[in-house]
Amino acid sequence: AQSVTQPDIHITVSEGASLELRCNYSYGATPYLFWYVQSPGQGLQLLLKYFSGDTLVQGIKGFEAEFKRSQSSFNLRKPSVHWSDAAEYFCAVVRYSSASKIIFGSGTRLSIRP
Amino acid sequence: NAGVTQTPKFRVLKTGQSMTLLCAQDMNHEYMYWYRQDPGMGLRLIHYSVGEGTTAKGEVPDGYNVSRLKKQNFLLGLESAAPSQTSVYFCASRPPGLPTEQYFGPGTRLTVT
Repeated sequence: AQSVTQPDIHITVSEGASLELRCNYSYGATPYLFWYVQSPGQGLQLLLKYFSGDTLVQGIKGFEAEFKRSQSSFNLRKPSVHWSDAAEYFCAVVRYSSASKIIFGSGTRLSIRP
Repeated sequence: NAGVTQTPKFRVLKTGQSMTLLCAQDMNHEYMYWYRQDPGMGLRLIHYSVGEGTTAKGEVPDGYNVSRLKKQNFLLGLESAAPSQTSVYFCASRPPGLPTEQYFGPGTRLTVT
């Protein structure tokens, strides 16, 4: 069965520091992968997606993610975080079917230290 | 273009009461989804629809019913609310074809006392 693991429940980084959020997936075929961000009290916004091609994908707000098939990972990175990046981040994989149901990880909450 | 909207934003119910959550999208999307979000559990799929007049069960369907009478609307019903249904509910939609992402509404916070 498909699954997504985000091993870090909560991460705190200093403003201006670099960030890496981990995501591992379990999927038999080539996955479609996403990172979503949820600000407090808000819905989910798509940060970036990987479907095929270049394994380093760029997203909004200065985020990028790298797909590594050998490690079954799709880690999210940002070189320098801003206080406004404090939010919850969800990694997700699409289950290939007619309904294309998304399987979400449990999320990583990011706090920013001033 | 409002995207995906949800009504209401907040609601408090007593155990045993019923209610309906409305999701509306103006993007002419075929597929619509209802999720619940609980702390530490990410989003879990309740029900989904692949087109007008169709519905199907997701991961956690018990205690919920849905209807998709119009393409733009997807209703989630709780016939007899229970405290375990206290959660934040999100609706999402997407166009047909793969691959594509889902577009989410702002959520409904439901408390059952």
